[in-house]
Amino acid sequence: GQQVMQIPQYQHVQEGEDFTTYCNSSTTLSNIQWYKQRPGGHPVFLIQLVKSGEVKKQKRLTFQFGEAKKNSSLHITATQTTDVGTYFCAGGTASKLTFGTGTRLQVTL
Amino acid sequence: EPEVTQTPSHQVTQMGQEVILRCVPISNHLYFYWYRQILGQKVEFLVSFYNNEISEKSEIFDDQFSVERPDGSNFTLKIRSTKLEDSAMYFCASSGEDPSSYNEQFFGPGTRLTVL
Repeated sequence: GQQVMQIPQYQHVQEGEDFTTYCNSSTTLSNIQWYKQRPGGHPVFLIQLVKSGEVKKQKRLTFQFGEAKKNSSLHITATQTTDVGTYFCAGGTASKLTFGTGTRLQVTL
Repeated sequence: EPEVTQTPSHQVTQMGQEVILRCVPISNHLYFYWYRQILGQKVEFLVSFYNNEISEKSEIFDDQFSVERPDGSNFTLKIRSTKLEDSAMYFCASSGEDPSSYNEQFFGPGTRLTVL
């Protein structure tokens, strides 16, 4: 079945540093979604990318969908302590979403 | 803002017992889902439900699991005979007022299931 891997598994940064998580799928994706899960919380939808090579920005967050639609990345500029959590990519269809393995981000002052 | 709700927040049960986890999806949504997350691991898809029937299910969703939408608001997950390895956080999600919004899923706060 489809596998979605993310690297790194864990990243610890100082506040103000940048952060990037990479997502790779074993199969071509029709779309990629990104979710954030705060410690002890539930996944919260951040964004969806659909087109090959698409780049979208949300304030300090930049999302990219690869040309081959098999990989994606999330980049956070100048991290803040509020960015702490696990970031998951997810691919699939409306009837089945496969989540990536997640990247846990820790930000310290 | 509308949200998905789940009850109970924590359920403790003995191995072999049946449990029913309850969810109230966002009212005008059309797709409903159950996921589970073992502590510290990724979110795993269990099943999706659309138009009053199962749309898709994973290998995890075996004969011990069933879902139901008994009325216009509730969506339930039943585990018939719980095993130790069923211990996890179970999330309900819903999406889709229309096909253009099917892919943004809204998750509930989860039910932590502990099987002893």
